[in-house]
Amino acid sequence: AQKVTQAQTEISVVEKEDVTLDCVYETRDTTYYLFWYKQPPSGELVFLIRRNSFDEQNEISGRYSWNFQKSTSSFNFTITASQVVDSAVYFCALRKGTTSGTYKYIFGTGTRLKVLA
Amino acid sequence: NAGVTQTPKFQVLKTGQSMTLQCAQDMNHEYMSWYRQDPGMGLRLIHYSVGAGITDQGEVPNGYNVSRSTTEDFPLRLLSAAPSQTSVYFCASRTQSSYNSPLHFGNGTRLTVT
Repeated sequence: AQKVTQAQTEISVVEKEDVTLDCVYETRDTTYYLFWYKQPPSGELVFLIRRNSFDEQNEISGRYSWNFQKSTSSFNFTITASQVVDSAVYFCALRKGTTSGTYKYIFGTGTRLKVLA
Repeated sequence: NAGVTQTPKFQVLKTGQSMTLQCAQDMNHEYMSWYRQDPGMGLRLIHYSVGAGITDQGEVPNGYNVSRSTTEDFPLRLLSAAPSQTSVYFCASRTQSSYNSPLHFGNGTRLTVT
C-alpha cells in the first residue's frame, strides 16, 4: 500500500518553542518524491519543500528544517523558535508513479499547528 | 503572475443541481488535477489530466466529470450535486518538463450542498 501518515492531528506550542511535525510514508517504489505544504488560515496551499528518495541529506531553510530517513520511512519537519505566523495546517505528500507513466500525489491528513503568543 | 485561478470561491447548491467549478492556469503546465479536502481526510484526488484531451480518474471520481480541451483549463463538473459533495475543492497544476516540480494550487472553492 502507498500511504502517508501524519499521526499528530493538532499541536499547540507557545511562541519561540521548537516543534517537530511527523510524517511517515509507505511505498514500494524505489524512486519517489516527498513534499511538505503549508495551509495558513487563509486557505491556500503553499509549497515548502521537496525531497527525492536518493537524497537523504537534511535541509535547513531559515527556521525550517527537514529530516529525511529512509530507514524509518520518515520525513519530519521541524520549526525552530516558532512564531504565531507559523500557525497553519501542514501536509506531507508522497508522489508515486502510476502504471500509465504519470504521477499521483498521496497526501497525509495534515497536522494543525497552533502557535500561541 | 496569476498562477492557478479557481472560480467561484464559494458556492451553495441544492441537492440535484449541477454546476461547474472552473480552473485555469497560465503557466503552460501539462498536468492539472482536482482534489477535495475534507476534515480529517486530507486531500483526495478526484481527477487528473496530463495534457489536452487526456484525463484519468483519481481516488474519488464518482459524481464528478472532467474534460481538458485546452492546456489552460480543467473544469470540474458536478452533474447532480449531493450533500456528500460538500467540501473544499482545490485545483492544482505542475509542469511535466521538470521531474521534481511541485504542485501549484489554486485558492480553493468552498462548496456546500444542502
